[in-house]
Amino acid sequence: GAGVSQSPSNKVTEKGKDVELRCDPISGHTALYWYRQSLGQGLEFLIYFQGNSAPDKSGLPSDRFSAERTGGSVSTLTIQRTQQEDSAVYLCASSLNGAGSGNQPQHFGDGTRLSIL
Amino acid sequence: EDQVTQSPEALRLQEGESSSLNCSYTVSGLRGLFWYRQDPGKGPEFLFTLYSAGEEKEKERLKATLTKKESFLHITAPKPEDSATYLCAASGNTGKLIFGQGTTLQVKP
Repeated sequence: GAGVSQSPSNKVTEKGKDVELRCDPISGHTALYWYRQSLGQGLEFLIYFQGNSAPDKSGLPSDRFSAERTGGSVSTLTIQRTQQEDSAVYLCASSLNGAGSGNQPQHFGDGTRLSIL
Repeated sequence: EDQVTQSPEALRLQEGESSSLNCSYTVSGLRGLFWYRQDPGKGPEFLFTLYSAGEEKEKERLKATLTKKESFLHITAPKPEDSATYLCAASGNTGKLIFGQGTTLQVKP
C-alpha cells in the first residue's frame, strides 16, 4: 500500500550541473503534480500530468525546467544548468482523477531536498 | 485572482488549550477545500476535503468547517503530537490547488 515515492530524498550539486528528480505515484492514480517549496514559502505549482500528457505547464519557472511522465506512472523532473535559486524542496503529488475535476485530494511524497552550491 | 490566506502564521498553545485556525479563500467556483498537515522534513499529509458551505468533518481532535468565504480547523484539547504546520488549499474552476502559506502550531506540554 505504498504512497507517493520520491528519489533521491536529498541532492547536493554544483551550480551549472543538471539534476533529475524522480516521482513514483500511487498505483492507479492518473494525475501527477510537481510543486516547489522554498524555505518559509508556500507550495508553488510547477506542472500537472494527466496520464502522460501535461495539460498545464504554467508553473515551470524557466526553460531550464522540464518534466516527463512515461507509462502513466513514473515522472521525472529535470533541471538543467542549475542555479542557486533552484535550491528548494521539490514535492510530487498524485490524485485519482485529474485537475479537471478539482475535487480529488492530492497525496504527497516526502520530497527531494535540492541544494545548489 | 484565486487566493488562499491562512491566519495566524504561528500559534502556540498549552496542552489542552483548544483553538481554531483560519483559512480565507477567494476562488471562482469552489470545487473543494482541503486541509493538510505537514511535519518537518515530510510532505503534506491529507486530512480533510470539504465541498460545500455548512459541511463539517472530524478526525480525532480536529474538526474542519466550511463557509462561503472561509474554513476553520478547530483543535480540541491539543496534545504535543499535534504540533505541525497546517496547510489549507482550495480548488476552483481551473482545477488547480491554490495553497495558503500555512499555520505553524506548537503545543507545549
